[in-house]
Amino acid sequence: EVQLLESGGGLGQPGGSLRLSCAASAFTFSSYAMSWVRQAPGKGLEWVSGINYSGGSTYYADSVKGRFTISRDNSKNTLYLQMNSLRAEDTAVYYCAKSRGRGGSYPDAFDIWGRGTMVTVSS
Amino acid sequence: DIQMTQSPSSLSASVGDRVTITCQASQDIRNYLNWYQQKPGKAPKLLIYDASNLETGVPSRFGGSGSGTDFTFTISSLQPEDIATYYCQHYDNLPLTFGGGTKVEIK
Repeated sequence: EVQLLESGGGLGQPGGSLRLSCAASAFTFSSYAMSWVRQAPGKGLEWVSGINYSGGSTYYADSVKGRFTISRDNSKNTLYLQMNSLRAEDTAVYYCAKSRGRGGSYPDAFDIWGRGTMVTVSS
Repeated sequence: DIQMTQSPSSLSASVGDRVTITCQASQDIRNYLNWYQQKPGKAPKLLIYDASNLETGVPSRFGGSGSGTDFTFTISSLQPEDIATYYCQHYDNLPLTFGGGTKVEIK
């Protein structure tokens, strides 16, 4: 079964760091762009960051640019999100999502989602 | 950034009713528009991609249309399992943005 499984969420201090991971299975991970999408409690969806199939191109929302870093290890079928300089407004469920197509170069439609991992930023 | 305006923000309809949700983009996004369903406590699920294409395995009562700036999502006959929040999302350029969501309830 095609699956994405996030881990690494939890309680982070303001100004601190967390690293999220997303393990992919049952599809050719190295052929697809991937993204992180977050959802603050009771709020809508916000695209956070994306990466192309090879890891050579990365994309960020302005709200996280300069603080978050997306990366991938295709040998381990794993996507990462390094989150630094955490703020209270980063509190959300973070979803890992697979892009549906476009040759793996750019985020488009998200056809596979993980269950999400909760990040809470609080002192 | 492209703003995606969804309406209504919520609606209540009876089982069997036709339900329509609209999504307006702040600029031309061609047909680069997707629709998702999210049930409480669950991850979103892709229903429609490229404005009008039904994702594999999605029931045919779901549909989408539109291009440019105005898009429509339709449930032709509302079922109890369709209770959820629905989101539109564009991918014409960065950043990708989602509409504010439409919560669908049973009357």
